[in-house]
Amino acid sequence: DIVMTQSPDSLAVSLGERATINCKSSQVLLKNSTNKNYLSWYQQKPGQPPKLLIHWAFIRESGVPDRFTGSGSGTDFTLTISSLQPDDVAVYHCQQYYNTLLTFGGGTNVEIK
Amino acid sequence: QVQLVQSGAEVKKPGSSVRVSCKVSGGSFRSHAISWLRQAPGQGLEWMGGTIPIFETTNYAQKFQGRVTITTDESTGTAYMDLSSLTSEDTAVYYCAKAPEVYCSADDCYWGWFDPWGQGTLLTVSS
Repeated sequence: DIVMTQSPDSLAVSLGERATINCKSSQVLLKNSTNKNYLSWYQQKPGQPPKLLIHWAFIRESGVPDRFTGSGSGTDFTLTISSLQPDDVAVYHCQQYYNTLLTFGGGTNVEIK
Repeated sequence: QVQLVQSGAEVKKPGSSVRVSCKVSGGSFRSHAISWLRQAPGQGLEWMGGTIPIFETTNYAQKFQGRVTITTDESTGTAYMDLSSLTSEDTAVYYCAKAPEVYCSADDCYWGWFDPWGQGTLLTVSS
């Protein structure tokens, strides 16, 4: 199984400041045949299901604010919130879909400092 | 716009079984790839398996093989997840979700990301 490790577990950032969430996979998620990284990011607010933010490591979903940016390749990936807003308080999850057994990171809780 | 609406919360005894439903509206049901995932209290997300009616294919995560069954009723546009031999460790919120891009080879299916998700169904297993 591909193990996804997120860091930090929790993050407190001041409003308007940058939040950076890391996701590391135990195997490379970049397929040579497609030149794509098989990784997505989700936002989950309390009592709600996850909401897709990004797929293919950096493709932002329609309607997702451009302050959310996905980056990285291979085994190391980052979700950056450039200017934290009150609505961004949530748990963020990364997910790999490189192989048939899909796995998620443990989640990163983002709060307002 | 595809929407997924799940059945309500369940309380079950250890050793029993549960069925959770997921009604899909919008688009062609047969073409939707629907997966089931769960999230135990304070834990991360876990993929259990999924089904693609148009390919007549159902995949299960090895961890749940033999204990989970995913079926569909095309007449009602509903997917079902049956989980048997319940223990307290199965206490979790169960989600159905659509996978917009799935690739199936002769041997297996490669599921992608999930969007949208159902609202979730809380299963509590307690004696």
